Amino acid sequence: DSGVTQTPKHLITATGQRVTLRCSPRSGDLSVYWYQQSLDQGLQFLIQYYNGEERAKGNILERFSAQQFPDLHSELNLSSLELGDSALYFCASSRIGLTSGYTFGSGTRLTVV
Amino acid sequence: ELKVEQNPLFLSMQEGKNYTIYCNYSTTSDRLYWYRQDPGKSLESLFVLLSNGAVKQEGRLMASLDTKARLSTLHITAAVHDLSATYFCAAIPSNYGGSQGNLIFGKGTKLSVKP
Repeated sequence: DSGVTQTPKHLITATGQRVTLRCSPRSGDLSVYWYQQSLDQGLQFLIQYYNGEERAKGNILERFSAQQFPDLHSELNLSSLELGDSALYFCASSRIGLTSGYTFGSGTRLTVV
Repeated sequence: ELKVEQNPLFLSMQEGKNYTIYCNYSTTSDRLYWYRQDPGKSLESLFVLLSNGAVKQEGRLMASLDTKARLSTLHITAAVHDLSATYFCAAIPSNYGGSQGNLIFGKGTKLSVKP
């Protein structure tokens, strides 16, 4: 157990639907990052939150949004889902300090049918 | 914009052989990370390299960093089947302050070790 918890582990939904992925960071970590992993695009950074505030945005579609709550857990909302959104979605967390690393959760596998 | 390139993307090795995976990055980066991923699983942290000349070893894996050349290597010594996995390197743009920046990943090297 890495300490980063992601739910659900698997999600199957239809095109056009909306889903919410949840991430609880490792205790003490203030930063949360969301990544999308697909076969053709590899690991793509989506968005980062630090202590409740959006800190950086990557290749995140307008149909996707995220937030980090006061208890530091984060949610990634995906709407108007398309077949191409099928992927593994990872959450990672980190803390300040050069030697500290990034800890990844086990991921949510999203299948859009 | 920071870009990270790995090569080779696919590597088929025989057990007992040595090989090196290369990771180049395009702009200055504060740190270099190596991760391992088994199929359908999460990313497991292997090494964090913080400065020029840094070398870290764990078992049959050794990672090094040359910030002047913007190059990191992951050397595999006497490969065994259990090392079969996909290996990713990742870097962080160096213009971050305060919170840690987001990781930019290479495409990964899929390693297959055959008996």
